[in-house]
Amino acid sequence: AQTVTQSQPEMSVQEAETVTLSCTYDTSESDYYLFWYKQPPSRQMILVIRQEAYKQQNATENRFSVNFQKAAKSFSLKISDSQLGDAAMYFCAYRSGIGTGNQFYFGTGTSLTVIP
Amino acid sequence: EADIYQTPRYLVIGTGKKITLECSQTMGHDKMYWYQQDPGMELHLIHYSYGVNSTEKGDLSSESTVSRIRTEHFPLTLESARPSHTSQYLCASSVTGLWGTQYFGPGTRLTVL
Repeated sequence: AQTVTQSQPEMSVQEAETVTLSCTYDTSESDYYLFWYKQPPSRQMILVIRQEAYKQQNATENRFSVNFQKAAKSFSLKISDSQLGDAAMYFCAYRSGIGTGNQFYFGTGTSLTVIP
Repeated sequence: EADIYQTPRYLVIGTGKKITLECSQTMGHDKMYWYQQDPGMELHLIHYSYGVNSTEKGDLSSESTVSRIRTEHFPLTLESARPSHTSQYLCASSVTGLWGTQYFGPGTRLTVL
């Protein structure tokens, strides 16, 4: 099974500053998908951003962007202009592009605190 | 926001009770999943279904059972709840396709006394 590693259990950032959350994964596949999910305290987990492995261009969604380094098997999330509402657990996830299965492999999460 | 619902949101019960956690989605997704998550911790897949009458156990051993009689409904049952079952249970669904993005329900926080 693939493994996803988030080496930062906790991170903090000043409001309006930029923070980068790390994620690495282990796979022998060349076709896969990567995701970042956000889980605010006591609220629903929602998709933040996603990336296809065969696309070199890094995905961006407003203040959220990724730095995808396929050779290094790294998929970090950058949050610009951090807001109080960004405080949450962030999970990195991997899905194989082979077959029709949709099983996700999640990292252990990074708890992000935003300091006013 | 995805249309996936879980009830109840919070449940406190005594040991030995039988409980069913409900999960429904209105998106017509063929795949559904149950995860167990302790507060602030990683998600562990306990059950999944790739369609009606299809269910499989996930990576984490669980004493719960699931059924998938209708596409939109994927309930999880604990025949005899124990304190070790105290956790948050997240339901998710996805559609077979390019991204296969999973959409999550709000979760059920279960406490077994």
